[in-house]
Amino acid sequence: AQKITQTQPGMFVQEKEAVTLDCTYDTSDPSYGLFWYKQPSSGEMIFLIYQGSYDQQNATEGRYSLNFQKARKSANLVISASQLGDSAMYFCAMREGDSNYQLIWGAGTKLIIKP
Amino acid sequence: EAEVAQSPRYKITEKSQAVAFWCDPISGHATLYWYRQILGQGPELLVQFQDESVVDDSQLPKDRFSAERLKGVDSTLKIQPAELGDSAMYLCASSLGVGGSGSRETQYFGPGTRLLVL
Repeated sequence: AQKITQTQPGMFVQEKEAVTLDCTYDTSDPSYGLFWYKQPSSGEMIFLIYQGSYDQQNATEGRYSLNFQKARKSANLVISASQLGDSAMYFCAMREGDSNYQLIWGAGTKLIIKP
Repeated sequence: EAEVAQSPRYKITEKSQAVAFWCDPISGHATLYWYRQILGQGPELLVQFQDESVVDDSQLPKDRFSAERLKGVDSTLKIQPAELGDSAMYLCASSLGVGGSGSRETQYFGPGTRLLVL
């Protein structure tokens, strides 16, 4: 079974609109972390935002926020006021437990911002 | 701002040739990762180092791939001989790797090496 599922292979969004990228996860470990990365066409994987399973509040970093719904096992990334430079692949990833540093990756969502 | 360095950025080689990639992690980061990423897919972990020791190389095709981190700082990934199917992006990442950060441990990536095998 997929541990990280990103159901949107691609999305088109008008510039300045908000966009939500979906991510659902599957784990039985009570301690886990969820990460979002951005990968522009240049190839570098850029860390955006982190949410811990015990965090009481949804994570926010500038225009990025994470809509964390623990009971539904979803960790959707919200980008407010999208910009042309937001066009990229976006990956959701999970780390299970506290001692294993490895990440489990989703298949990614390709986001294209239209001017 | 500290960054992960990788070289070369691009490499074109012919099949059966040897290729090598270099990675210098963020200073002080004990854990280093090598990933392979096929276009349109998520990264696949090839090998993970903690200091100079290999923690996990279960997905490394050991008949042709090798990786080392001799002094626990920079690292080299080698392919010999290269095959057509090795064409991909090779990403290096590092993280602090010290105990206590647990699930918050964040991996930071270098710019990657795009490999094309002809």
